[in-house]
Amino acid sequence: SQQGEEDPQALSIQEGENATMNCSYKTSINNLQWYRQNSGRGLVHLILIRSNEREKHSGRLRVTLDTSKKSSSLLITASRAADTASYFCATDSYGNKLVFGAGTILRVKS
Amino acid sequence: DGGITQSPKYLFRKEGQNVTLSCEQNLNHDAMYWYRQDPGQGLRLIYYSQIVNDFQKGDIAEGYSVSREKKESFPLTVTSAQKNPTAFYLCASSIKGEQPQHFGDGTRLSIL
Repeated sequence: SQQGEEDPQALSIQEGENATMNCSYKTSINNLQWYRQNSGRGLVHLILIRSNEREKHSGRLRVTLDTSKKSSSLLITASRAADTASYFCATDSYGNKLVFGAGTILRVKS
Repeated sequence: DGGITQSPKYLFRKEGQNVTLSCEQNLNHDAMYWYRQDPGQGLRLIYYSQIVNDFQKGDIAEGYSVSREKKESFPLTVTSAQKNPTAFYLCASSIKGEQPQHFGDGTRLSIL
């Protein structure tokens, strides 16, 4: 079962621009995580935000969480060509099993 | 360096054949997971294990089997009962009861 749904499915921007990806989910959660996947590779954890947090920053990443709307957004500022990858949100609903969305494919053009 | 090693990187299966995908971790994590990823889709959980000699089915366990005889190892067998095995398989591990999960670089399985 897929709980998270990312929007948009694909995003193409110029280097230096900001990229925003959204994630919606269906049930109550313990935390929500964002992962990056480069083509043909495994997932790399980016950031985790707990259900009692509203915003979190890590370098050029900013994540927000709105539990009333069951949604989260990932903002990548000043994007670089190396940010080109697929980005997935994953929700942990108190069972330590992650449920992943279908992902957003980000292409950053130099 | 600590991490998760999956092997082989590419694997081909013949009709009626069982194949086993290897996953080894040296992160001293108790929990390990197997996911399947199909093109354009997210990851789906096949099996997971929170402790040695114990494992649970995930959302799509049919046609797969696992074992957890050692803390470091969690091999996945794709049996002949799995009629559509072509996919990218990812192994992950975590501290028991905690997040995040750490992933290997995957095994791509194809049918001959």
